[in-house]
Amino acid sequence: AQSVSQHNHHVILSEAASLELGCNYSYGGTVNLFWYVQYPGQHLQLLLKYFSGDPLVKGIKGFEAEFIKSKFSFNLRKPSVQWSDTAEYFCAVNSGGYQKVTFGTGTKLQVIP
Amino acid sequence: DAGVIQSPRHEVTEMGQEVTLRCKPISGHNSLFWYRQTMMRGLELLIYFNNNVPIDDSGMPEDRFSAKMPNASFSTLKIQPSEPRDSAVYFCASSGTGGPDTQYFGPGTRLTVL
Repeated sequence: AQSVSQHNHHVILSEAASLELGCNYSYGGTVNLFWYVQYPGQHLQLLLKYFSGDPLVKGIKGFEAEFIKSKFSFNLRKPSVQWSDTAEYFCAVNSGGYQKVTFGTGTKLQVIP
Repeated sequence: DAGVIQSPRHEVTEMGQEVTLRCKPISGHNSLFWYRQTMMRGLELLIYFNNNVPIDDSGMPEDRFSAKMPNASFSTLKIQPSEPRDSAVYFCASSGTGGPDTQYFGPGTRLTVL
C-alpha cells in the first residue's frame, strides 16, 4: 500500500526566508505526486504535480518540487516566502493508475512578516 | 465553471440526529471523493466513486456512515446516528477521466455535533 510521510508538522519562517518541506513516499512502482495547499479557512487546491518527465516541477506562486526517485522523495521548495504563503501544505501520492490519492498529514507553514 | 459544490456549508446538530451532506462534482468528472478533516487525524479519505460506483470505502469509519452516488452529478454522505466525534470538516472532491488526475476540492461542510 502506498503511504506518504511529511516530517515537518509546523514550520515558522520569516518573510524572504527559503522554504523546503520534506515529503517521502513508500511505493516501489510508478507514482504520481502532488502538492496541495490549504489557505486558512479554505479548501485544498493544487500547487503542482509530477506525472513524468522533468523531475523538477514548477508550480504556481513560485513553488517548485523535485522528484528524486532513488530517495522516494518529492520535496517542496520556494526560494523566498511571503506572508501570504501562510497555509497548510499536503503532499500526496497516487500509484497504479487508480484514482485513489493518499495524502500526508500536512505541514503548517507560518510566515512572520 | 462552478467548481465542486457542497451543501450545507455549516451544519450544527445534536447527537443522535441524522445528517446528510451533499456534493455536486464538476461536470464531466467521473471520479468523486469524500474526505474528512480533523485536527487530530488530518485529512482522511472516506470513500471514492468512479462512474458512480463505489470503488473503495475502506475509510468509512463505521456503519453509521453511508454514501451514495445515484448519478454523475450528485452524491450524498449520510451519518446516522451522529455523534460528537463526527464533528469535522467534510470535503468532497472530483477528478476527470482516466487514471490519476488532479482532484478539485469543494469548499467543505463544517459539521458540529453537540
